Amino acid sequence: AQTVTQSQPEMSVQEAETVTLSCTYDTSENNYYLFWYKQPPSRQMILVIRQEAYKQQNATENRFSVNFQKAAKSFSLKISDSQLGDTAMYFCAFMKLYGGNQFYFGTGTSLTVIP
Amino acid sequence: DADVTQTPRNRITKTGKRIMLECSQTKGHDRMYWYRQDPGLGLRLIYYSFDVKDINKGEISDGYSVSRQAQAKFSLSLESAIPNQTALYFCATSHTGDVTGELFFGEGSRLTVL
Repeated sequence: AQTVTQSQPEMSVQEAETVTLSCTYDTSENNYYLFWYKQPPSRQMILVIRQEAYKQQNATENRFSVNFQKAAKSFSLKISDSQLGDTAMYFCAFMKLYGGNQFYFGTGTSLTVIP
Repeated sequence: DADVTQTPRNRITKTGKRIMLECSQTKGHDRMYWYRQDPGLGLRLIYYSFDVKDINKGEISDGYSVSRQAQAKFSLSLESAIPNQTALYFCATSHTGDVTGELFFGEGSRLTVL
């Protein structure tokens, strides 16, 4: 079975600063995807960034980047130049490449950006 | 309009009542899912369907049933609601042909069982 662990239930960051959210996972699979989803107060789940396990290069989407360490089974999210709109719950998720595309979600990190 | 629409958005009901949450999508995706979100527990899979004739139990299916009425419609039923089914419920879709497997979510249905 796959497990995803987010050890930081709550975090805060000053506006314009950088923050890193941690995620670790446990799997015996070699081929998989990792995701970070954002859930703002509106409740909508929004994809932030995606990483394919076979790619060594870390994914980047504008101010969002990841530090993917496959051997350590670590997948952290870095948010640069934090903005008030980044205030949200962030979920790390794992998906096996084969076997039904089932997702496994972490318990979430609530991020507050302070003006 | 949202690509994945859930109704109702919010519902308060009493213990023992039958409740149906509905989901419809215009994305043309073949796969549909129902998740439950609880504070401190993240999202957990209740049921999923890969096409109209395919229904599979997820991690926490007890007390729930589903119906895939059409490719675009997937409903979740609570036959006899109980208070510990109070949660935020999400419908999601994905497409078999999309190797990235990204899930697209509805806006959630908040259910309170008194």
